Amino acid sequence: DAGVIQSPRHEVTEMGQEVTLRCKPISGHDYLFWYRQTMMRGLELLIYFNNNVPIDDSGMPEDRFSAKMPNASFSTLKIQPSEPRDSAVYFCASRRGPFIGQGVDEQYFGPGTRLTVT
Amino acid sequence: GQNIDQPTEMTATEGAIVQINCTYQTSGFNGLFWYQQHAGEAPTFLSYNVLDGLEEKGRFSSFLSRSKGYSYLLLKELQMKDSASYLCAVWLDSNYQLIWGAGTKLIIKP
Repeated sequence: DAGVIQSPRHEVTEMGQEVTLRCKPISGHDYLFWYRQTMMRGLELLIYFNNNVPIDDSGMPEDRFSAKMPNASFSTLKIQPSEPRDSAVYFCASRRGPFIGQGVDEQYFGPGTRLTVT
Repeated sequence: GQNIDQPTEMTATEGAIVQINCTYQTSGFNGLFWYQQHAGEAPTFLSYNVLDGLEEKGRFSSFLSRSKGYSYLLLKELQMKDSASYLCAVWLDSNYQLIWGAGTKLIIKP
């Protein structure tokens, strides 16, 4: 498997512009997570989906952020309008679920999208 | 609220042993993960503890004490490539999300 795929890897945009980040989870994984990582705040969970349904979006900072998962193989995180404080690395992660038996299925992270808003 | 504490930064010497501690206070607990993250890269899974005790995996071991809300990651025979951040994360039993610590940046010196 190719692992979790994210695009773009780097995005530089001006304040006020719309930004769309994309993620393709590992095939067969039921859970998809969007994270944001900054030096100041570390790794923060923004939202996660189970079987394409948003389960918990309490981490989404504000209405400028929205996420969708139209099917099992694709998700987007959109920021509109973007602001300089949104500059961060955005990770998408996926895992199988629920945990079964003795083993554990960890979260697999994509390579991240480094977003810079000027 | 949920709280996970790790030291911000640690320094160790190549070939030595280092222990990275993690303490947590969470509303639930279903297991604790350790992830490694090299600069500019994504976190990768190292270990998972659900029962008290030590789990050994090669040069890396992870320990858990649920009664104390405490875990540590032990790295032996340190190599330069071990320079990275180490993230502790607790799996809450109420859902499938992880609560993450801020990470410990480990610097290895020759």
